[in-house]
Amino acid sequence: EAGVVQSPRYKIIEKKQPVAFWCNPISGHNTLYWYLQNLGQGPELLIRYENEEAVDDSQLPKDRFSAERLKGVDSTLKIQPAELGDSAVYLCASSSGSEQYFGPGTRLTVT
Amino acid sequence: QKEVEQDPGPLSVPEGAIVSLNCTYSNSAFQYFMWYRQYSRKGPELLMYTYSSGNKEDGRFTAQVDKSSKYISLFIRDSQPSDSATYLCACGYAGNMLTFGGGTRLMVKP
Repeated sequence: EAGVVQSPRYKIIEKKQPVAFWCNPISGHNTLYWYLQNLGQGPELLIRYENEEAVDDSQLPKDRFSAERLKGVDSTLKIQPAELGDSAVYLCASSSGSEQYFGPGTRLTVT
Repeated sequence: QKEVEQDPGPLSVPEGAIVSLNCTYSNSAFQYFMWYRQYSRKGPELLMYTYSSGNKEDGRFTAQVDKSSKYISLFIRDSQPSDSATYLCACGYAGNMLTFGGGTRLMVKP
């Protein structure tokens, strides 16, 4: 069974530029999560989807971040415009119950 | 104060040692507990999942939960250099929400 797929794996952009990350969850997993992980810290939830509905986006900085999960399968997280402080690893996870399975993450560097 | 606390380490042990990794949490609403292993530049990998107080064993790994003390542990027996990674504890409650600790970096030296 394929795991959670994320792309790109690495992205380097200049500040004020837009960037997008893509995630394809494990087949059959209705719940999809986007996390942010800073160096030396644990993942922090940005947004959680149940099928195509965002059920928890309280930690998503909505002035610059947006996300969508069309058709309740894969999802895109966008940042526009990016700031230096957005440099981090963006992790996608999926679940069909309590156990969450993570993708490899996208490492974003904003210069 | 964070809801889930871990000593960041690094914890350095010789190969073959028994490793003890610990977390404390403050939210009594947490119902289930997980341990993830994260290698450098990789995503977290689910190792253990426990729902109640007590012990759960899986090969060389034992997860222990003490809800009365709000204390969770992961023991690794016969540690190997391949166990060198960051170990994240996570606490969850209804709605499939997880709160992660900051992780403990483990180094097992040959």
